[in-house]
Parts: sequence; C-alpha cells; structure tokens
Amino acid sequence: QVQLKESGPGLVQPSQTLSLTCTVSGFSLTSYNVHWVRQPPGKGLEWMGRMRYNGDTSYNSALKSRLSISRDTSKNQVFLKMNSLQTDDTGTYYCTRDLGTGSGFAYWGQGTLVTVSS
Amino acid sequence: DTVLTQSPALAVSPGERVSISCRASEGVNSYMHWYQQKPGQQPKLLIYKASNLASGVPARFSGSGSGTDFTLTIDPVEADDTATYFCQQSWNDPYTFGAGTKLELK
Repeated sequence: QVQLKESGPGLVQPSQTLSLTCTVSGFSLTSYNVHWVRQPPGKGLEWMGRMRYNGDTSYNSALKSRLSISRDTSKNQVFLKMNSLQTDDTGTYYCTRDLGTGSGFAYWGQGTLVTVSS
Repeated sequence: DTVLTQSPALAVSPGERVSISCRASEGVNSYMHWYQQKPGQQPKLLIYKASNLASGVPARFSGSGSGTDFTLTIDPVEADDTATYFCQQSWNDPYTFGAGTKLELK
C-alpha cells in the first residue's frame, strides 16, 4: 500500500539549515507528485512546495528564497532543504502525495516535529 | 495568494446536519478539497475536487460548490466527527489552506 515517512533532526538551531527526507513506498515518484506541508503547533496548514512526477519543482513564494526540494528516484526518496531557520519555522512537517495533479492530498506521512531553538 | 476564509468554530448536536463553508478570494474552478484533522494526527482527505468522496470516507460527508464558494456538509453528525476541518485549493499557485473550522459536539 501507499506509504510515506518523514525523517530528519528534531532540533535545529536558529540560522541553520533543515534537511528532511520523505521515503515512499507503494508507488513510483515518476508517476505521482509529492508535496511538503507544515503546521506550526496549534495552528493551520501551509503548503511549502512540490516535486512533480516529471522532476519539476514548485515552491510557495513566501519560502522560495530559502527552500529546495529534490529527489532520488532510485531510493524512492524526496528531500527538503530549508536554510536560515527561525523560531517560527517550528512545527510538524509532512510529506504527502496527491491523487493526481490538482487533486487533493490523499496520502500523508505521520509527520516529523521540528523545533528551532538554541 | 488565494485566501480561503472559514468560520472558526461550530457546535452541533449528534444527529444534526452541519454545513462548513469556505470562501475563496478568487476563483478556484472546482479545485477545492476538504480535510479532517484530529489532535495529534495527520489530516485526512474527505472530499476532492469540490464534490468527490475520497476512498473509505462515509457517505455522511458531502461537498458542493464551484468558483469561490464551497461547502462541506456532514449529515448526520456523529460524536467521532469532533475535529478541525480544513479546505484547500489547488487551482492557483501557491496552493493554500483555510485556517480551519473547529467542530464541537454539544
């Protein structure tokens, strides 16, 4: 079945770079889009960006200058890198797969909590 | 960016019908989706493209609307439906979410 799992450090220091990995199974990265969504504690959801099935990327303009999404199809992994982290970047980071371009996010990882603190 | 506006909270009794609204600041065609999120859990897709029921979701949930005004309806509401409901559009980049409507049961 379709599964996604996020991994990465739980604690990042201010001004440092966050690196997260989304490992997927049950589908091919060359057939479906994978997105990153984050949620600050007790707050709403923010779409960060996507890796399209064809390798193209798209980013939230609010994060574009700090964010990079890449993939390794041989390892079934999608990567997120975001630099210059601040305390308001604290939250749960999810990778998610849509049903097809423009459709809803049908499959979600369990999320990984990232705390930005010294 | 496309702003999605939802009412912050609703309280209903079990067995009643509830409608949760989402208004977009610009047209999103039918590319509106609805999610349910319970504390400590990831969001769950309920409705995609305005009115399509996601796999495994009870038929008590339904969606309607197009353009800028959309509605998620739960009929009848059950105790397990206590959660926060988010709308999300995928017509305009960047994709955006509403702030969520917290549904409480009386």
